Amino acid sequence: DTGVSQNPRHKITKRGQNVTFRCDPISEHNRLYWYRQTLGQGPEFLTYFQNEAQLEKSRLLSDRFSAERPKGSFSTLEIQRTEQGDSAMYLCASSFSSMGADYGYTFGSGTRLTVV
Amino acid sequence: RKEVEQDPGPFNVPEGATVAFNCTYSNSASQSFFWYRQDCRKEPKLLMSVYSSGNEDGRFTAQLNRASQYISLLIRDSKLSDSATYLCVSRGGWGKLQFGAGTQVVVTP
Repeated sequence: DTGVSQNPRHKITKRGQNVTFRCDPISEHNRLYWYRQTLGQGPEFLTYFQNEAQLEKSRLLSDRFSAERPKGSFSTLEIQRTEQGDSAMYLCASSFSSMGADYGYTFGSGTRLTVV
Repeated sequence: RKEVEQDPGPFNVPEGATVAFNCTYSNSASQSFFWYRQDCRKEPKLLMSVYSSGNEDGRFTAQLNRASQYISLLIRDSKLSDSATYLCVSRGGWGKLQFGAGTQVVVTP
C-alpha cells in the first residue's frame, strides 16, 4: 500500500453531466476526508467518514453532491448536474483515529475537475 | 472572516536568505496546528507540526502563540527547492483541517 489513491487524476465534463470520483485510502486507516481546492485558495473541508459512517458534511456540500464509503474502505464522491463553479481539485485524505488522535494523515494526489 | 488567515505573498527570497511569515487563526478551540507545503498542482504535504514551545526541523522553525492566536514559520538558508506555497493549518477535535489560503515563497538564484 503506497498511499492514498485517487481516480481519475483529471476529468473534463460538460456542464450538466454527472461525475464520480473514487478514493482508495491507506488500508488500515479508519477515517476518510474529502476536500475541495479552487485556484488561489487552500483546501476546504467537504465531508468525512469514520469507517462507513458519514459523520459531518460541510455547507459547501450542496444537494448535488453525495459521498459514500459503503464498506468502510474506498469512497466515492458524485456530483450531479455539474456547474462551472464545481471546477476544482478534489482531494481525499485518510488517517487512523484512536483515542481522539489522528495518525498518518495523508492526502491523495487529487482529481482535477474542469466543467466546460 | 476565514478561520485561518495568511499573507498570500509572494515572498521573493534570494537563495541563502532567511524568510519568515505568519498566519492567524480565529478559533481558540483549535487543538493542533501544522504547516503544509504545496507545490504547483500537487497535493499538500505535511511540513511540520507546530508546538507552543517552538520546534525546529532542519532549516525550518515553527512557533505557536496561543495568546495572540498566530503561528509562524521561518526558513533559514533558503534553497531553490523551497519555492512553494506554504499552507497554515489548524485542526479541530475530530480531524477536520482548516487551511489558510497559503503563502507563496519564491526563492531566486
